[in-house]
Amino acid sequence: QKEVEQNSGPLSVPEGAIASLNCTYSDRVSQSFFWYRQYSGKSPELIMSIYSNGDKEDGRFTAQLNKASQYVSLLIRDSQPSDSATYLCAVNSYGQNFVFGPGTRLSVLP
Amino acid sequence: GAGVSQSPSNKVTEKGKDVELRCDPISGHTALYWYRQRLGQGLEFLIYFQGNSAPDKSGLPSDRFSAERTGESVSTLTIQRTQQEDSAVYLCASSPVGTGEQFFGPGTRLTVL
Repeated sequence: QKEVEQNSGPLSVPEGAIASLNCTYSDRVSQSFFWYRQYSGKSPELIMSIYSNGDKEDGRFTAQLNKASQYVSLLIRDSQPSDSATYLCAVNSYGQNFVFGPGTRLSVLP
Repeated sequence: GAGVSQSPSNKVTEKGKDVELRCDPISGHTALYWYRQRLGQGLEFLIYFQGNSAPDKSGLPSDRFSAERTGESVSTLTIQRTQQEDSAVYLCASSPVGTGEQFFGPGTRLTVL
């Protein structure tokens, strides 16, 4: 059974701080990793994808991947109240379905 | 361009009735996925299509659930003899070849009375 684990939160950070969201996965052959943001009552939207070990930056977001540790994280710099949402980690192996984690609820306090 | 669309946006049905949910993917996206999300829960994978073939049907919860896709376009998810536990939001996503990046539709909220 392939699993993706996330701390359910809520994770509360003050406005302007760095929010750090973590995800671990069980399938060692996983190749693709994604972070989605889901606002309450809305469908998930893609934030970042990462395929290689290391960091990938896009604006205020940085995804970090460590395949040896089976760990992927998302850092949000200069957090804003509008970043308050549930963040979903998703993992995929080529030709197989995606496995989503349960999500971490982030609350950015003004 | 147009995103993924789903219809209906809301569906209320009586226990035991059949329902059909529709998904129109982004044009040119070869992969299409169906998920179920119960209130306050995570995404539950149901099925995915690569073109019009379904290599992975492992997530379908019972034989009351079926899905089909016409070529690389519209897909329908059919639930027969609906039960109250089928109440959820059904999400569809499509993905271009090679990236795995999924783009979600707005979902269909199904309520079984």
